[in-house]
Amino acid sequence: AQSVAQPEDQVNVAEGNPLTVKCTYSVSGNPYLFWYVQYPNRGLQFLLKYITGDNLVKGSYGFEAEFNKSQTSFHLKKPSALVSDSALYFCAVRDDRGSTLGRLYFGRGTQLTVWP
Amino acid sequence: NAGVTQTPKFQVLKTGQSMTLQCAQDMNHNSMYWYRQDPGMGLRLIYYSASEGTTDKGEVPNGYNVSRLNKREFSLRLESAAPSQTSVYFCASGVYGYTFGSGTRLTVV
Repeated sequence: AQSVAQPEDQVNVAEGNPLTVKCTYSVSGNPYLFWYVQYPNRGLQFLLKYITGDNLVKGSYGFEAEFNKSQTSFHLKKPSALVSDSALYFCAVRDDRGSTLGRLYFGRGTQLTVWP
Repeated sequence: NAGVTQTPKFQVLKTGQSMTLQCAQDMNHNSMYWYRQDPGMGLRLIYYSASEGTTDKGEVPNGYNVSRLNKREFSLRLESAAPSQTSVYFCASGVYGYTFGSGTRLTVV
């Protein structure tokens, strides 16, 4: 079965420091992986995705994610955090099986707080 | 602007009342989805539609019905609202990743 785990409910980091938000996945078939961000009282916005190719994926707002097949991980990273990065982050894996093709399975989310 | 439009943005219902949440997308996507978001629970799939004319249950379908009216529109109906349905509801569309609507914040009292 497809599933995603985000082991940290909260991540706190000082502005200017690097940040990592962790995600591990379980999937039968090819792993198509996504990160979304949700700002307060807003819908989810797409950040980046891994479909195939280079294991380091670059996305919006300076974020990147590293796909590691052996560790079944897809951690979100940013070299230098900004206060404006404070938000709720969701990792997701796509189902590529038959009748449920295209459905995304989401983790529970990680609240990122960047303090000045 | 292209995207997913949800209405209404906010709604307060009394227990037992009914309502329909509307969703429309203009990106020509076949697949559309309804999720609910509750604190600490992440996003849980209520129903989805892989194409016009088809709908399937997700993880938490009880108490809800859906209609895929045409390729653009996918509505979610609460026939008899309960306090447990207080939540934020999101519609989404897409196959290789989703585009989300801005959400409907529903309170059932």
